[in-house]
Amino acid sequence: SQELEQSPQSLIVQEGKNLTINCTSSKTLYGLYWYKQKYGEGLIFLMMLQKGGEEKSHEKITAKLDEKKQQSSLHITASQPSHAGIYLCGADLDKLIWGAGTKLIIKP
Amino acid sequence: NAGVMQNPRHLVRRRGQEARLRCSPMKGHSHVYWYRQLPEEGLKFMVYLQKENIIDESGMPKERFSAEFPKEGPSILRIQQVVRGDSAAYFCASSPSPDEQYFGPGTRLTVT
Repeated sequence: SQELEQSPQSLIVQEGKNLTINCTSSKTLYGLYWYKQKYGEGLIFLMMLQKGGEEKSHEKITAKLDEKKQQSSLHITASQPSHAGIYLCGADLDKLIWGAGTKLIIKP
Repeated sequence: NAGVMQNPRHLVRRRGQEARLRCSPMKGHSHVYWYRQLPEEGLKFMVYLQKENIIDESGMPKERFSAEFPKEGPSILRIQQVVRGDSAAYFCASSPSPDEQYFGPGTRLTVT
């Protein structure tokens, strides 16, 4: 089983709607990374969270790390076609490990 | 400052051939990481190297896979006698220190 559980596995959202992607671990995370992978391309760093309760925003994307540092959520407001791609969370445990990814499709 | 570069972007090999994947880290970065992304799965750590040293290869398959990061030149991930199960996207990342990693565009290996 994955040490980092990401949900949902895939998501189809109407353009303009909000959405949330979750990343959960059974262990305390010392760093939580969110990356975006565009289809057929490399990984784009979005945000890193380290402190319990921390929240960061970049344009219309907001990521939070819970107080226990075991769960993070990525929230996109007013989604656009450019948000489509695969979102990956990665976490610092003994080494950097990854969730399986969430495939986001934006319907026009 | 150019980003992490990987080449080739796409590589097709027949079963039994060798695959060599190259990663040029960002300027000033001495830490290189290799990851494999299998279809429908997340990224799996393979190996962590610093210049001329393998620091952690706990994610590398025991046979056929090797990695190096020489004093001069790119880091190389070498897969000997490839099999269909080796088909995947291979990403490398570099870092100036063991912190935030900057990823390359990946090499998509297809074994026919």
